[in-house]
Amino acid sequence: KAGVTQTPRYLIKTRGQQVTLSCSPISGHRSVSWYQQTPGQGLQFLFEYFSETQRNKGNFPGRFSGRQFSNSRSEMNVSTLELGDSALYLCASSLFGSSNNEQFFGPGTRLTVL
Amino acid sequence: DAKTTQPTSMDCAEGRAANLPCNHSTISGNEYVYWYRQIHSQGPQYIIHGLKNNETNEMASLIITEDRKSSTLILPHATLRDTAVYYCIVRPTSNDYKLSFGAGTTVTVRA
Repeated sequence: KAGVTQTPRYLIKTRGQQVTLSCSPISGHRSVSWYQQTPGQGLQFLFEYFSETQRNKGNFPGRFSGRQFSNSRSEMNVSTLELGDSALYLCASSLFGSSNNEQFFGPGTRLTVL
Repeated sequence: DAKTTQPTSMDCAEGRAANLPCNHSTISGNEYVYWYRQIHSQGPQYIIHGLKNNETNEMASLIITEDRKSSTLILPHATLRDTAVYYCIVRPTSNDYKLSFGAGTTVTVRA
């Protein structure tokens, strides 16, 4: 089985721009979770989608949003980028949800905001 | 959620066993111990998890003390590819759980 894939792998944007990141889960997995990882804050949960519905949400501002499509692929969007949004954005998929199954992570998208 | 304490870093010789300790003295009865690792520039990788019994899989063994206040991850024959940051977390099985990592242990396997 192919693993979790994320595109693009690297991205450079400037303050005020918006960005869309994409994640394709492992075939058959219905849950997709998004995380932000920075050296200072570690790994922080953004949100989880299951069957096209947002099921859990972390403590991030409304500039961070996401969606999931019927084929379980997911996108996350960050609007009005700030310097502090520079981070590694990770996507993880699991069969039924992040609470009961181990999650399989993608390689991440490295976002740099200038 | 129960907090965990891990050493900041440790070295290990290639081919030897690597024993990674983790303290979780405030763990609750419904919380599992999970281990993940993250190799540089890659996403985290699930290694193993357990509740109270020792567990073994193709990657590692997990030894949990009887009082469940600490655990040890054992990599039986460390290779250079095991160089990574290892994260120990405790997590309940509730649907409201949100995975998060602390600083972890940076393990360097040396030839």
